Amino acid sequence: EIVLTQSPATLSLSPGERATLSCRASQNVSIDVAWYQQKPGQAPRLLIYEASKRATGIPARFSGSGSGTDFTLTISSLEPEDFAIYHCQQRFSWPGTFGQGTKVEIK
Amino acid sequence: EVALVESGGGLVQPGGSLRLSCAASGFSVSTTYMNWVRQTPGKGLEWVSVLYTGGRTYYADSVKGRFIISRDNSKNTLYLQMNSLRAEDTAIYYCAREDVIVPGGFDYWGQGIQVTVSS
Repeated sequence: EIVLTQSPATLSLSPGERATLSCRASQNVSIDVAWYQQKPGQAPRLLIYEASKRATGIPARFSGSGSGTDFTLTISSLEPEDFAIYHCQQRFSWPGTFGQGTKVEIK
Repeated sequence: EVALVESGGGLVQPGGSLRLSCAASGFSVSTTYMNWVRQTPGKGLEWVSVLYTGGRTYYADSVKGRFIISRDNSKNTLYLQMNSLRAEDTAIYYCAREDVIVPGGFDYWGQGIQVTVSS
């Protein structure tokens, strides 16, 4: 099973700041990585798929990069609604796995 | 408009069974990859099972032999039959779809339903 390790666990930032979230895979997953945003009491929402493609309706301030084992989700300028938990997911091999999440909180 | 609505959760004793349903609208479950994902505070998100358009299925090792994923095309509904339930199956269960045309992530999710396994 491929393990995804997200860092940091918590990111404390202010609105308008840049957020950089990391997801590292225990082995090569090509570009088969997706990123999700989750708010309390809600289901995850797809932000990025295939490492760098924005899902429908996702603002341009969200971007993804990486391949192989190292992936990054960047939020260029945090809006108040962006404070949430972010999960990465690999679909390269079954069982697909998720990272443990990064919480982006208001500083 | 695409929507997924889960039902069938609740409290069940260890060793018992439950069947979760996921009613879909706005698309056909027979032409989309359909998934069950569960979430617990301790383990985070766990991909439980997937049903591909051709009928192929996969299960997490933690549920293999106990859970069965299926669909009823006439009702446009996905199911998860959960047998021999254990305390560690306690979680919020989500159904989620993956677009076959643009695969790569789960673009629509249900609202989630609580399953609690406890005596």
